[in-house]
Amino acid sequence: DAKTTQPNSMESNEEEPVHLPCNHSTISGTDYIHWYRQLPSQGPEYVIHGLTSNVNNRMASLAIAEDRKSSTLILHRATLRDAAVYYCILRDVGGSNYKLTFGKGTLLTVNP
Amino acid sequence: NAGVTQTPKFQVLKTGQSMTLQCAQDMNHEYMSWYRQDPGMGLRLIHYSVGAGITDQGEVPNGYNVSRSTTEDFPLRLLSAAPSQTSVYFCASSYSHISILYTEAFFGQGTRLTVV
Repeated sequence: DAKTTQPNSMESNEEEPVHLPCNHSTISGTDYIHWYRQLPSQGPEYVIHGLTSNVNNRMASLAIAEDRKSSTLILHRATLRDAAVYYCILRDVGGSNYKLTFGKGTLLTVNP
Repeated sequence: NAGVTQTPKFQVLKTGQSMTLQCAQDMNHEYMSWYRQDPGMGLRLIHYSVGAGITDQGEVPNGYNVSRSTTEDFPLRLLSAAPSQTSVYFCASSYSHISILYTEAFFGQGTRLTVV
């Protein structure tokens, strides 16, 4: 699997936007970019995914660089409930090992 | 709709004991998997199943057995518990082994296992 690089931690204030970066310079043309988050003492939770175009859903937006070597998860208005570890994951459609490879992710702290 | 249900939530075992961690999903998902999460590390895949009667090993399968007799259930068996198996275990499911590549996986709340 292609590797991703994320900052270990980030801080934000409540009701402000948060931009969580992810570098994936070795991404292949068939890799989907997935984001999951894990709230304290809970299982991971799907956030969003994309291939080439920017994506929006009720939870967040995903901005993908034109060369696809990086992406940014955008939380438009952070709440205390968004405090979690955020994982950026690449999945190769052509791969035969159907797993999600979780790195260490970014620990997001949201200040009231 | 309960999603993915894991039982028990907490368990303490003595070294050498065996036990089964239960995982059930009510979404008619084909793909199910087990992960373990240790402090400071990401989730690591133990075993997975792409459908009833089909299982395969992940990256850390030693010491664990699985079977998939129904679509709904995917139990994880610890044959002879060791302190190194102290961890938090997560079960996950997805509509199919193909869809996990570009749709969401659903995770259970986890089982916190301590082996003394």
